Amino acid sequence: NAGVTQTPKFQVLKTGQSMTLQCAQDMNHEYMSWYRQDPGMGLRLIHYSVGAGITDQGEVPNGYNVSRSTTEDFPLRLLSAAPSQTSVYFCASSYLKGSEAFFGQGTRLTVV
Amino acid sequence: LAKTTQPISMDSYEGQEVNITCSHNNIATNDYITWYQQFPSQGPRFIIQGYKTKVTNEVASLFIPADRKSSTLSLPRVSLSDTAVYYCLVGGPLGGGYQKVTFGTGTKLQVIP
Repeated sequence: NAGVTQTPKFQVLKTGQSMTLQCAQDMNHEYMSWYRQDPGMGLRLIHYSVGAGITDQGEVPNGYNVSRSTTEDFPLRLLSAAPSQTSVYFCASSYLKGSEAFFGQGTRLTVV
Repeated sequence: LAKTTQPISMDSYEGQEVNITCSHNNIATNDYITWYQQFPSQGPRFIIQGYKTKVTNEVASLFIPADRKSSTLSLPRVSLSDTAVYYCLVGGPLGGGYQKVTFGTGTKLQVIP
């Protein structure tokens, strides 16, 4: 049972480039979300999804897009990378709203 | 959405019991209280969740007074491996809002040999 899998683990981008962070879960969870964590800070919610075809914005959505075409996958797209998006990104999934959330190992992104 | 307040950091010696208190004065009727643990370079890990009174599992206990405006995570006999950041979250499993709750800065627990 893999749980929540994030790829890649590390990525360096140039300013203006675009990329997609992948997140997949094999627990048939309806709820998935993306967070970013900056040094010395807690996790801030970027986007979340309550099921396939349904997404919504979190606290810091600007510069990011998401889609949820399947229950398993919830990719996060950076449209035009900026140095301010240098962070560690975590994907999480849970069976119900507010139930135990399972997190991936994170993607460390550096934008130069 | 309920806002939570936790101490920024705590130190404890190995073998001691550690209690971390979280304040959530505007907790809603259907909100649950959930605690997560995060080690460096890892995603947060669920520790415990409760609604009222006391909940205990194999790693921690959660104490919630009758007014539910605060909660206390209790870690019995901590070891060096318990050094981590602990987050308190408030939200509803069956209601709305939990997925919009951000983690805040948490409490950094340092266990000293």
